[in-house]
Amino acid sequence: GQQVMQIPQYQHVQEGEDFTTYCNSSTTLSNIQWYKQRPGGHPVFLIQLVKSGEVKKQKRLTFQFGEAKKNSSLHITATQTTDVGTYFCAGPSSSNTGKLIFGQGTTLQVKP
Amino acid sequence: GAGVSQSPSNKVTEKGKDVELRCDPISGHTALYWYRQSLGQGLEFLIYFQGNSAPDKSGLPSDRFSAERTGGSVSTLTIQRTQQEDSAVYLCASSLGGSQPQHFGDGTRLSIL
Repeated sequence: GQQVMQIPQYQHVQEGEDFTTYCNSSTTLSNIQWYKQRPGGHPVFLIQLVKSGEVKKQKRLTFQFGEAKKNSSLHITATQTTDVGTYFCAGPSSSNTGKLIFGQGTTLQVKP
Repeated sequence: GAGVSQSPSNKVTEKGKDVELRCDPISGHTALYWYRQSLGQGLEFLIYFQGNSAPDKSGLPSDRFSAERTGGSVSTLTIQRTQQEDSAVYLCASSLGGSQPQHFGDGTRLSIL
């Protein structure tokens, strides 16, 4: 079945270091979404990418959608302790049911 | 504006009891989703509603789990004869449908003793 995979599963960085998480889909996606879940919280939508090769920035966060629309990345420059949490990517189900297929998430820990 | 509301926020019950979890989506959102999240794990899809119908029930773990949505709004997830492995956070999300971004509630933390 359709799969969305994220690596790494966990990442520990020193505050100020950069961080990148990668998302790979087994199928071509019409769009890719990213969510952030703080410890003890619920997932919160960050951004949606639609176009092949699209790059979007939100302050220190840079999101990319691959040319083949099968992979995506989230890069955080100069991490801060507020970046701690789990980052999920998600893409629409190829069965067109309206369901999103979520990756397993990358949990980021930032040491002050 | 009001977000997705879930109740109760916490539920502790004995093994074998039935539980009902409620989700009140954002007004106007036609799509509603239930997920389960065990400690430190990812999101496990349970069921999806478009309006009152459930096009995708593929994630329900067993026939002890059921869900309904009436009036295209509030949804209830019912777990019968609860087992200890049912302990988790149950998250509800709503969206405008299709693959539009999902808005999550705070979840119900279910603990089975």
